[in-house]
Amino acid sequence: DVKVTQSSRYLVKRTGEKVFLECVQDMDHENMFWYRQDPGLGLRLIYFSYDVKMKEKGDIPEGYSVSREKKERFSLILESASTNQTSMYLCASRPGTGGAGANVLTFGAGSRLTVL
Amino acid sequence: AQKITQTQPGMFVQEKEAVTLDCTYDTSDPSYGLFWYKQPSSGEMIFLIYQGSYDQQNATEGRYSLNFQKARKSANLVISASQLGDSAMYFCAMRGGSARQLTFGSGTQLTVLP
Repeated sequence: DVKVTQSSRYLVKRTGEKVFLECVQDMDHENMFWYRQDPGLGLRLIYFSYDVKMKEKGDIPEGYSVSREKKERFSLILESASTNQTSMYLCASRPGTGGAGANVLTFGAGSRLTVL
Repeated sequence: AQKITQTQPGMFVQEKEAVTLDCTYDTSDPSYGLFWYKQPSSGEMIFLIYQGSYDQQNATEGRYSLNFQKARKSANLVISASQLGDSAMYFCAMRGGSARQLTFGSGTQLTVLP
């Protein structure tokens, strides 16, 4: 089974702190994604990456950056955390090619971040 | 631009009954895929079912079926014989054309009553 692992399930940070959210997948997927989930808004895409060192902005990239130095690892960085970044963060991955099954995203368990 | 609309923030269904969760979409891509995910209270997103825009038959996976009406741009999820374990948040999503990412709706919280 494909596994997507997010390093922290719960984090509490202070305003202005730098925050790293780590995500690792073990099935050699080309594509990796960071979504943010808020009640009533569903999942919104922050950034995604389709190859090592490649990244593209999603719908809400402001206040975030990402890093993909190795194929299996995709990190989300909050340079200076703010209270409006309190949210659930979901990492996901999928293969780059293939049939319909290649379209299916596999998600991690999520990281719930609280910024005080 | 792609958009997914789920108009039911919350739904209740009696155990063993069928329930339909609504989803409408908007895209200008002729080729696209539609997905449903389930998110239990534990938080992990679980893939349920997929429908391609050129698929002739409605997708089915066990108790889940996708009622795909292309002309109406709707992709409703039907859960037959609801179980208590079906209580969860359900998200409709789509991937259009050459897009790499999925666009999600706002979700429907389903509660199955005993």
